[in-house]
Amino acid sequence: GQQVMQIPQYQHVQEGEDFTTYCNSSTTLSNIQWYKQRPGGHPVFLIQLVKSGEVKKQKRLTFQFGEAKKNSSLHITATQTTDVGTYFCAGGGTSYGKLTFGQGTILTVHP
Amino acid sequence: DAGVTQSPTHLIKTRGQQVTLRCSPKSGHDTVSWYQQALGQGPQFIFQYYEEEERQRGNFPDRFSGHQFPNYSSELNVNALLLGDSALYLCASSLYLRQGANYGYTFGSGTRLTVV
Repeated sequence: GQQVMQIPQYQHVQEGEDFTTYCNSSTTLSNIQWYKQRPGGHPVFLIQLVKSGEVKKQKRLTFQFGEAKKNSSLHITATQTTDVGTYFCAGGGTSYGKLTFGQGTILTVHP
Repeated sequence: DAGVTQSPTHLIKTRGQQVTLRCSPKSGHDTVSWYQQALGQGPQFIFQYYEEEERQRGNFPDRFSGHQFPNYSSELNVNALLLGDSALYLCASSLYLRQGANYGYTFGSGTRLTVV
């Protein structure tokens, strides 16, 4: 079945440093979504990418979808303490609705 | 604008017992999906309901079953509980689109199930 791998598992940064997490799928995806989960919270939708090579930005966050639609990345510029949490990518396959989540990257930001 | 509501928030059950978790989707959403999230892991897809039918199912045994009601709310039932069923159970709602385009889920806060 479809597998989604995410690296790194943990990332510790100083406030103001940049952060990147990478996501790779074993199969071609119809779309990829990114979620943020704060400690003790639930996943919150950030963005969806659908097109090959797509790049989207949300303030300090930049999301990319690979040309082959099998990988994706999330880059945060100049991290802030409010960025703390676990970032998940979730790949959509050919069947609508089912998302396969990566194991997440836990981001810690030191002030 | 009501988000996704799940109940109860916490639950402790004994091995072998049965449990029912409940979910009310976000206003305007018609599809409910259930996910299991073990500690330190990403959510795992259990199944999805649309028009009161199970549309897709993940790799979970038949002990996991569900239901969707005409008002789009949903229940997740787990029979013969095992210690390994201890997890956060998340309900996610969305709009069902036939052309395969996905839109982001709205997740509820989850039910923390502990099996002892």
